[in-house]
Amino acid sequence: AQTVTQSQPEMSVQEAETVTLSCTYDTSESDYYLFWYKQPPSRQMILVIRQEAYKQQNATENRFSVNFQKAAKSFSLKISDSQLGDAAMYFCAIQNRDDKIIFGKGTRLHILP
Amino acid sequence: EAQVTQNPRYLITVTGKKLTVTCSQNMNHEYMSWYRQDPGLGLRQIYYSMNVEVTDKGDVPEGYKVSRKEKRNFPLILESPSPNQTSLYFCASSDRGQGYGNTIYFGEGSWLTVV
Repeated sequence: AQTVTQSQPEMSVQEAETVTLSCTYDTSESDYYLFWYKQPPSRQMILVIRQEAYKQQNATENRFSVNFQKAAKSFSLKISDSQLGDAAMYFCAIQNRDDKIIFGKGTRLHILP
Repeated sequence: EAQVTQNPRYLITVTGKKLTVTCSQNMNHEYMSWYRQDPGLGLRQIYYSMNVEVTDKGDVPEGYKVSRKEKRNFPLILESPSPNQTSLYFCASSDRGQGYGNTIYFGEGSWLTVV
């Protein structure tokens, strides 16, 4: 069975600083996708970044980047130059070829002004 | 505009009174799914559908039913709601035609309270 573990229920970071959210996963598949989703107070689910397991290069989207360590089954999210609008719940997720998506329990990120 | 639309967005109902949460997408997606979100538990999949007339159980299907008679619609049915089904529900869809890993589009969520 696949699992996704986010070991940090809550984190805080000073505005303009950098923060890293951790995510580890377990799967027997060799081919899968990993995602980070952001859920602001509106509860809308917003895709932040996506990584294909076959690609060694870490995905980057503006201030958001990942550190993908396939052997260690680790997929951390780095947010640079944190902004007040980054305050949200962040979910890590894995998707296999059968489309089933498993989410972690989430990390609530607070941005301190 | 690409959309997944859920209704109702907010509902308070009583134990045992059947209810349906509708979900409709306008992107011609094959894959649709329902999740529930509870504090400390993240999002858990209830049911999913790979295509019309094809549905399968997710991780927490007990107490729920679904149907997929048309590609665009995927209603979630609570035949006899109980208080432990009080939750935030999300419908989602994605396009499998281009392979997996595509963007998953979520509805805005439906807050359901069963008293």
